[in-house]
Amino acid sequence: GEDVEQSLFLSVREGDSSVINCTYTDSSSTYLYWYKQEPGAGLQLLTYIFSNMDMKQDQRLTVLLNKKDKHLSLRIADTQTGDSAIYFCADQAAGNKLTFGGGTRVLVKP
Amino acid sequence: DAGVIQSPRHEVTEMGQEVTLRCKPISGHNSLFWYRQTMMRGLELLIYFNNNVPIDDSGMPEDRFSAKMPNASFSTLKIQPSEPRDSAVYFCASSSVGQQETQYFGPGTRLLVL
Repeated sequence: GEDVEQSLFLSVREGDSSVINCTYTDSSSTYLYWYKQEPGAGLQLLTYIFSNMDMKQDQRLTVLLNKKDKHLSLRIADTQTGDSAIYFCADQAAGNKLTFGGGTRVLVKP
Repeated sequence: DAGVIQSPRHEVTEMGQEVTLRCKPISGHNSLFWYRQTMMRGLELLIYFNNNVPIDDSGMPEDRFSAKMPNASFSTLKIQPSEPRDSAVYFCASSSVGQQETQYFGPGTRLLVL
């Protein structure tokens, strides 16, 4: 079945850029998503990218997709303390089911 | 729009009791998903519905778990009897069936089974 992998933890200084990486196995993925989960809350959609794109920028967020290597990344520019959260990548293949990674906990240090 | 609504937000119960979690999807959405999140297993899809019909329940852990969607604006996830290992945060999400399907999550129900 599909598998989505992420690193567990990332520590970054306030003002620096954060890069969160994700790999997936399903070659038929159509859309890939990044969600953010703050403590005690549900998952909030940050952005998504269509599989025929290789980059998408949305304010401080840049998504890069390397379809050949099945690698997705999320770059957060000028990281703020409010960006501390768990970030999940997810891929949508056939149908409307998403496969989520295990989440990357991002800690922003002042 | 109020977003996905879940109730209760917190539930504490004793082992063996029946637990019912409720979800109201976003109006106009026709897909509904139930997830369970634990530290050990991460986020797991339990079951999802399209147009009120269960499509994939392969993630439902055991017969103790059941889910229904009697109409487009309401779904329940029931655990009977509950066990301590069912303690988790249960999320409901909804989306519109289409080519690109962003799922919108509710705030979750935090369940503790003693």
